[in-house]
Amino acid sequence: EVQLVESGGDLVQPGGSLRLSCAASEFTFSAHWMTWIRQAPGKGLEWVASIEPDGSEEFYVDSVKGRFTISRDNARNSLYLQMNSLRAEDTALYYCAQGLWLDSWGQGTLVTVSS
Amino acid sequence: DVVMTQSPLSLPVTLGQPASISCRSSQSLVSSDGNTYLHWFHQRPGQSPRRLIYKVSDRDSAVPDRFSGSGSGIDFTLKISRVEAEDVGVYYCMQTTHWPPSTFGQGTRLEIK
Repeated sequence: EVQLVESGGDLVQPGGSLRLSCAASEFTFSAHWMTWIRQAPGKGLEWVASIEPDGSEEFYVDSVKGRFTISRDNARNSLYLQMNSLRAEDTALYYCAQGLWLDSWGQGTLVTVSS
Repeated sequence: DVVMTQSPLSLPVTLGQPASISCRSSQSLVSSDGNTYLHWFHQRPGQSPRRLIYKVSDRDSAVPDRFSGSGSGIDFTLKISRVEAEDVGVYYCMQTTHWPPSTFGQGTRLEIK
């Protein structure tokens, strides 16, 4: 069974930075697109970013372009989300998911942006 | 961006009765390759979402056959033939035809009457 375990969520001040990680196992990580999805407290789901299997291309929702960077290390079966210039509206539970169609999800890691 | 609109937003259902959720897109979800990339997810309270249906009507493994997806163009439906207690939670549709960005519906909260 696919395993996705996110980590790195924390309380951070506005303008601060955070790096999320997602450890993947039980599937061929290097063969799959990977995606970050977020869910603000009590709200719906929002696609944040996706990255190609070999990491050559990245795609972002407009609200995070220029602030967030998705990356991956296929040798470590790991996905990352570097988040800079964080804003209060970035407060959310961040999920990593397998593929563009979100075949499997992790349990999420909570990012809170507040002073 | 494609806007996905679900209805109803709240769905009280009696156990054993059917349920239906509608999802409408602001433009056709038929891709240039002829496929329609509309997917359905279920999020139980306190849990991560999980996919139920992909490409309109293909059910994921381990998803009970009481769940079915249908539709075409801009109108899609998720049906539950007989609601069980474990079906409570929020259901989301998502399109990936016109990606990026992928876009989700607002969610439909199913509760037991």
